[in-house]
Amino acid sequence: DAGVIQSPRHEVTEMGQEVTLRCKPISGHNSLFWYRQTMMRGLELLIYFNNNVPIDDSGMPEDRFSAKMPNASFSTLKIQPSEPRDSAVYFCASSQNSDLDETQYFGPGTRLLVL
Amino acid sequence: RKEVEQDPGPFNVPEGATVAFNCTYSNSASQSFFWYRQDCRKEPKLLMSVYSSGNEDGRFTAQLNRASQYISLLIRDSKLSDSATYLCVVNPASGSARQLTFGSGTQLTVLP
Repeated sequence: DAGVIQSPRHEVTEMGQEVTLRCKPISGHNSLFWYRQTMMRGLELLIYFNNNVPIDDSGMPEDRFSAKMPNASFSTLKIQPSEPRDSAVYFCASSQNSDLDETQYFGPGTRLLVL
Repeated sequence: RKEVEQDPGPFNVPEGATVAFNCTYSNSASQSFFWYRQDCRKEPKLLMSVYSSGNEDGRFTAQLNRASQYISLLIRDSKLSDSATYLCVVNPASGSARQLTFGSGTQLTVLP
């Protein structure tokens, strides 16, 4: 199994530009999570999907952030327009989300720097 | 009050030492508990689940005290490769949601 795949691995952009982060979950997993990690705030859940449906987006900072999951094998997190305070590592994780296994498997992350 | 609180450290210990990390959680209804490990500039990975009766995996022992809402991780005979940040993780189990709440992590450096 290839694990959770994220792209790009690094992104440097200028303030005001649109940023799109991509994630391919582990095949067969029915839940997908987007996290943001910074030194100041640690690991924060932004949004999670269950069976491609957004369940809880209360962690999304503001309207500049949006996430989609058009099918079971692909999700995007978009920031438009980006701001310097959005600089962080963005992780995608997937899970079987069952009584038998709650483990979340994380992708390698996307390191975003907004100048 | 944070939902999951950990001492950030850093803990600097010599190789072979025994080191213990503690974590407290605020939601008494929490159902499941984990320790994740995160190496520098890498993603978090599951280290072990924490069961009510306590559990051991090689040099690692995890314990849960529901009455005190307290979780611990003990590492015996520490190795250089144990150097990482250890994240205490709790499932608040609100309804059917299975969202994990991560602590801010405890940094461990094992010195030669």
